[in-house]
Amino acid sequence: SAVISQKPSRDICQRGTSLTIQCQVDSQVTMMFWYRQQPGQSLTLIATANQGSEATYESGFVIDKFPISRPNLTFSTLTVSNMSPEDSSIYLCSVAGGVSGNTIYFGEGSWLTVV
Amino acid sequence: AQSVSQHNHHVILSEAASLELGCNYSYGGTVNLFWYVQYPGQHLQLLLKYFSGDPLVKGIKGFEAEFIKSKFSFNLRKPSVQWSDTAEYFCAVNAGIKAAGNKLTFGGGTRVLVKP
Repeated sequence: SAVISQKPSRDICQRGTSLTIQCQVDSQVTMMFWYRQQPGQSLTLIATANQGSEATYESGFVIDKFPISRPNLTFSTLTVSNMSPEDSSIYLCSVAGGVSGNTIYFGEGSWLTVV
Repeated sequence: AQSVSQHNHHVILSEAASLELGCNYSYGGTVNLFWYVQYPGQHLQLLLKYFSGDPLVKGIKGFEAEFIKSKFSFNLRKPSVQWSDTAEYFCAVNAGIKAAGNKLTFGGGTRVLVKP
């Protein structure tokens, strides 16, 4: 299984600021994903980030609000821009791995609180 | 589009009781099925997965799940729960072809509380 590290693990952010979350994987992966888990809710996919191409955003998420970088096969960043209290969530990085490449592994998440 | 339904939002049971959590999905093609667990204050962990073959899948910590294709279901079971199984459980699905991009669709989650 892949080992996924995220930074920061937790942060308290001021309204109107932006924060960049980093995701580092211990092996090269083609597909990386960013999910959001709002308080008391399930996980929702924000975007898929493949190295060498623009991220693909799901309905309801836009690049201006959640810009993503994917500079190489082991690293990605997600920025949460112009934050509001509604952005208070856990943001999770995940990768597709396993023998078939179909198993999805998750990082520990970045718990953001916007005040 | 895929969707996943978990029938129970909250389950409370006593230690040694049997647990079964329902999961149904809607998708017309081949699917990969997963159960994840999130213990209080911890990150999401993979419990078990089904890609193909034997529809009865055994996972970690004594959990198993059965894929019933005709019912579009992938229910999670454990014969005898422990207090440490208190957690939130998520069923998830992705399309069984790589061209679909491995995107996971999650159910709403079931919070399980095991009383000692």
